[in-house]
This record gives sequence, C-alpha cells and structure tokens, in this order.
Amino acid sequence: AQRVTQPEKLLSVFKGAPVELKCNYSYSGSPELFWYVQYSRQRLQLLLRHISRESIKGFTADLNKGETSFHLKKPFAQEEDSAMYYCALRGGGFKTIFGAGTRLFVKA
Amino acid sequence: DTEVTQTPKHLVMGMTNKKSLKCEQHMGHRAMYWYKQKAKKPPELMFVYSYEKLSINESVPSRFSPECPNSSLLNLHLHALQPEDSALYLCASSQDFGAYEQYFGPGTRLTVT
Repeated sequence: AQRVTQPEKLLSVFKGAPVELKCNYSYSGSPELFWYVQYSRQRLQLLLRHISRESIKGFTADLNKGETSFHLKKPFAQEEDSAMYYCALRGGGFKTIFGAGTRLFVKA
Repeated sequence: DTEVTQTPKHLVMGMTNKKSLKCEQHMGHRAMYWYKQKAKKPPELMFVYSYEKLSINESVPSRFSPECPNSSLLNLHLHALQPEDSALYLCASSQDFGAYEQYFGPGTRLTVT
C-alpha cells in the first residue's frame, strides 16, 4: 500500500534557525517524491521533487530509500517560509498521494 | 495564461440541488484532476482526465459526475449531495498524465446544507 506520513502537524522555529520537516513513505516500488507548499491565501504549488535534486528557496530534500524518508530541510528559516507543507508520493498509475501536512511557523 | 482558474469560489447548496463546479486552464495541459480537501486534511484524488478521457475514478459516489468537454475545461456536476460532502474542491492540471508537476487552482469552497 502507498502511504505518506508526516509526523508533525505543527512545527515552530525561530527565524534563522534550521528547520527539518519529516516525511516517511511506504511504497513497494520506486516512488517519485515531492514537496508541495501552500502559503496563506495562495494555491497549492510544487516546491521540489526528488529527481531534480535541486534547491528551491533554500530548501533541499534527499530521498533516503533505506529509511524510506524524504525530509525537507533548510539551514536558516525565514518568516516568509511560514506555510503548510505537504509531502507527496507518486507511484504506479501516476496517482499522487499527499501526506497530512505540516504547518511551519517561523517566529521573528 | 499560466493559471488554473476555478468558479465559483464559494458555493452553498441544499441536498436536493444540482450545481456544477468549473475548472479552466489555457496552458495546453492534457491531464486534469479533481481533488477533495476536507478541513485540516490533505487533498484526496477524485478523478483524473487524460486527453479528455476519464482515466482514474477513485471510487467516487455517483452524486459526483465529472465532465471534460474539451482540453481546457473540466466540470464537476453535483447532485443530491450530503452535508459530509462539504469541502474544498481543487482542480489541477499537468502537461500530461505522466508529468510530475501539477498546477492547482484556488479551489471552490462547497457547503452542503
């Protein structure tokens, strides 16, 4: 079965502190993993995907197949990073499954 | 135009009403999606259209009826809904069915009374 788990509903950090949003997945094959972000009053949008191995807005995420994790990291959080973050998995059939989401709150 | 638009933004309907949600994109995308998002929950896939043909139906009740009249438009016809169907309905599109990036619309907030 395909499953995405984001254990933290809310994560609160101070500006300038490192941040890590956790994501674990369950999938028997080779999944595609994504992070989507939703800023306040804005639509859901793709932040990054594991295949591209890029850094977007200072965020990176590494796929760890051994630990079945795809944690999102940023070394220095900014107030504008406050948003809802969804980890998502796309497996067979191209169906995308979203995790429950983590609300990141960056305090000044 | 690089956006997915959805109308209406808000909709209140009774359980005996018939209404439709509309989604439009002009990015030339050939895959379009309907998701349902309940409060404080992630989006859940309902339907996927690829090249105007229904490719995925996630066992959605028949009171929800999707329609893709052309490659730019996606409708969701609603009939005899229940209060538990109240949710944010999101439309998304992607270049094609296998494309990794989905572009989401702002959603229609539906309340069933």
